[in-house]
Amino acid sequence: DAGVIQSPRHEVTEMGQEVTLRCKPISGHNSLFWYRQTMMRGLELLIYFNNNVPIDDSGMPEDRFSAKMPNASFSTLKIQPSEPRDSAVYFCASSFGQLNSPLHFGNGTRLTVT
Amino acid sequence: AQTVTQSQPEMSVQEAETVTLSCTYDTSESDYYLFWYKQPPSRQMILVIRQEAYKQQNATENRFSVNFQKAAKSFSLKISDSQLGDAAMYFCASPLQGGSEKLVFGKGTKLTVNP
Repeated sequence: DAGVIQSPRHEVTEMGQEVTLRCKPISGHNSLFWYRQTMMRGLELLIYFNNNVPIDDSGMPEDRFSAKMPNASFSTLKIQPSEPRDSAVYFCASSFGQLNSPLHFGNGTRLTVT
Repeated sequence: AQTVTQSQPEMSVQEAETVTLSCTYDTSESDYYLFWYKQPPSRQMILVIRQEAYKQQNATENRFSVNFQKAAKSFSLKISDSQLGDAAMYFCASPLQGGSEKLVFGKGTKLTVNP
C-alpha cells in the first residue's frame, strides 16, 4: 500500500529560478494538502484541494506560489521566481476528507534556494 | 486565529520511564477531532493517536495515551515505557475551524530519550 509520494526529496536551486514540487496522494483519498515547515513558523497550511478543486489557498504566501491538481492522482506546487526565504521543507498530505480523517503525509521535499 | 500551543519546546525522559507532552488549543466547536503526530529525524510525519472530542474516554494506542480535558481545551500525550525509538518531534494538531478537515499544528516538542 503506497503512501503519499513526493518528489524530489531534495531540491537546491538559485534565486530567481522556477521550482516545481510534485505529489501523488494515496489512491482513494479525495483531499490533498500542501504544508510548509520552517523552524521559525512551524507547519503552515498553504493550500488544500477537495476532489481536485482548490478550496482554500489563503495560506499561499505570495503570487509567486501556485498549486494545481489536474487529476485525483497528481498535484504540483510551483514557486516562480524562487527566493532564499522560500527555503523550507514542503509536505504534501492526503486524506479521505472527513472530520475524523487523519492526514497522511509524504516524506517532504527539502527546498534550498541560494 | 485559532492556535495550538505546545508549551514545552524540549523534553527528555529516561528509557522505560513515562513522559507527558502538553498541548492546548482553542476552538468554539463542540464536535471535532484532535491529533498527535510524531516526526523522527527521517522527517516523516506519523500519526500517533487521535481523540474524538465528544467522547469522554481518553484514546489509547499501546504505550501512547491522551489526557483530554475538553473544558480546559487541553490535550496532552502520555508515553509510557519510553523507548529509544520514541525520540522525535511531537506535534499536536486540531482543526483550523471546527468541523473542518484542515489542521493547524503546534510548534512541536522535541523529545529526547536517554538510555
